[in-house]
Order: sequence, then structure tokens, then C-alpha cells
Amino acid sequence: KAGVTQTPRYLIKTRGQQVTLSCSPISGHRSVSWYQQTPGQGLQFLFEYFSETQRNKGNFPGRFSGRQFSNSRSEMNVSTLELGDSALYLCASSPDSGNQPQHFGDGTRLSIL
Amino acid sequence: QKEVEQNSGPLSVPEGAIASLNCTYSDRGSQSFFWYRQYSGKSPELIMFIYSNGDKEDGRFTAQLNKASQYVSLLIRDSQPSDSATYLCAVIYYGGSQGNLIFGKGTKLSVKP
Repeated sequence: KAGVTQTPRYLIKTRGQQVTLSCSPISGHRSVSWYQQTPGQGLQFLFEYFSETQRNKGNFPGRFSGRQFSNSRSEMNVSTLELGDSALYLCASSPDSGNQPQHFGDGTRLSIL
Repeated sequence: QKEVEQNSGPLSVPEGAIASLNCTYSDRGSQSFFWYRQYSGKSPELIMFIYSNGDKEDGRFTAQLNKASQYVSLLIRDSQPSDSATYLCAVIYYGGSQGNLIFGKGTKLSVKP
């Protein structure tokens, strides 16, 4: 069974630009969550999508947004990029949005110049 | 503010010894607890999850949960150099109708040959 697939693996952007990251969950998984990981703050929850609906949201500004498609694939968008947005962005999927374990993709490493 | 606390380490143990990793959480209502292993430059990998008080064993790994003390631990028996990684404790916090994972900042484990 294929794991969680994230594209692209690496991105370099400049301040003020916007970026879209993609995540394909494990087949059959309907819940997709996004996290930001930085050395200082660790892993922080961005949002969760289930059945094309945002079910949960962390404490990030509105520049961070996402969506989920009918095939459970999800995208995350960050607008007006700031230097502090440089991080590893991780997507995780689980069968449902309850207390089931989440499985992570390899992540997208975003660098802002 | 819901928090998950871990000793950042590094925790250094000799090969073949038992490594003990600890985690405390602030939300008494938390029901689901997870341990992830993250190698440098890689994404988190699920190694154990536990929902009930007591011990849960899987190979060389044992997760222990004490909800009264709001404490969860991970024991690694017969530690190997390949176990050297950062171990992340995660707890599902129910902030509304749905839960999201809150991660500790991780404990770095070093197993010396």
C-alpha cells in the first residue's frame, strides 16, 4: 500500500510570493492533517480536513489555508510568504478523523529567501 | 494552552541497555497517546500508540500510560545504534468536536556502540 505522498519535496521562494503544497493520503484514508515543523517550535498543527471540510484549525494566521478534494487529496496554500515561514511542512493521513494514528508523508522543505 | 512536555535530552545509553523516554501532558481529558520516531532529515514514523492505562508491548518497545498522573512513557529494550533518533510524544486534544494532535518537542536518543 502506498504511503502518504507530498509534492514537491523542496521549494525555494522569496518573500511576498505564494506557494501551494500537495498531499495524497494513503488509499482509503479520508482525514488529512497539515503540520509545520521548525527547530524552535517543533511540530505545530495547522489544520485538518475530512470529507472536503476543514474540521479543525490550529493557531496560524489566515495566510495559511487549505482544501481537500473529493478523492481526499489535499492542498495547502501560503500567501504573502515571510522569512519565518521557512520550515518543513508535513502532511499526515488517517482513516477517519477520530483518535486513529496518523501516518506522515516525507514533507515539503520550504525555504524563503 | 494544551501542552505536551518532554525532556529534550540528549539521552545517551549504551548498546543493549533499556532506554526510557518520558512525556507529561496537561489536558486531563486526553484519551489517545502516540510515540513517533524521527531520524534526522526524515519525517516522523509512528512506532506505538496507547489508549488505556497500563502497558502495551510491541517487540522491543513498551508504551506505558498513567492517566491519573498524566504521564506516558516509552521503553526501548536492547537498544541498538539504529534506535538513535528523536522520539516525539503526541496527544490528541479535543478542542471541540474533533481532536488534533499536539506534539512534544521530542527527546533525542543516542545509543552508543
